[in-house]
Amino acid sequence: EPEVTQTPSHQVTQMGQEVILRCVPISNHLYFYWYRQILGQKVEFLVSFYNNEISEKSEIFDDQFSVERPDGSNFTLKIRSTKLEDSAMYFCASVVGELFRFFGPGTRLTVL
Amino acid sequence: GESVGLHLPTLSVQEGDNSIINCAYSNSASDYFIWYKQESGKGPQFIIDIRSNMDKRQGQRVTVLLNKTVKHLSLQIAATQPGDSAVYFCAEKVTGANSKLTFGKGITLSVRP
Repeated sequence: EPEVTQTPSHQVTQMGQEVILRCVPISNHLYFYWYRQILGQKVEFLVSFYNNEISEKSEIFDDQFSVERPDGSNFTLKIRSTKLEDSAMYFCASVVGELFRFFGPGTRLTVL
Repeated sequence: GESVGLHLPTLSVQEGDNSIINCAYSNSASDYFIWYKQESGKGPQFIIDIRSNMDKRQGQRVTVLLNKTVKHLSLQIAATQPGDSAVYFCAEKVTGANSKLTFGKGITLSVRP
């Protein structure tokens, strides 16, 4: 079965530093999403991406966040200046049609 | 088996019993629903989905029931096994290829041997 991959699996950074989280979606999928999950809490929507532009974003996704698909395969989430409260698991989802079957394994971001 | 709303964080069941996990969704416009299983340190794993034109859908050892009148969704797991121990989330969305999926609060299922 196809799978979504994410790198790194764990990222530790200092507050104020920039981080880039990477996702390789499933080829031929067109819709991509980032979600985050603070430890012990529910999974929260951050942003959706289609046709090389943001379709929808949540209140969490402020101007410190950005996404892009630079080379047609990788799908990245950048946080320009990390805050302590950005510490969470970040999941990428790759969607075909409406079938949200494929989530990546996540990147654990720890901001110190 | 036991049933519990998502305001209770943990459901503990005996191995071999049936489990029932409940979810109240919020958006009356939602018409597609998914249950996910999440094991520690992993991403959400698709279990089963249901569209609003159905009341019930069965998979392997799992059944999802949908009551649109009261905006309620449940996941039934038959003959619960230790490998079923995980956090379970319901999620909802409105039909549309680009509409986001909204997750409910998770519940931890703990299976006693």
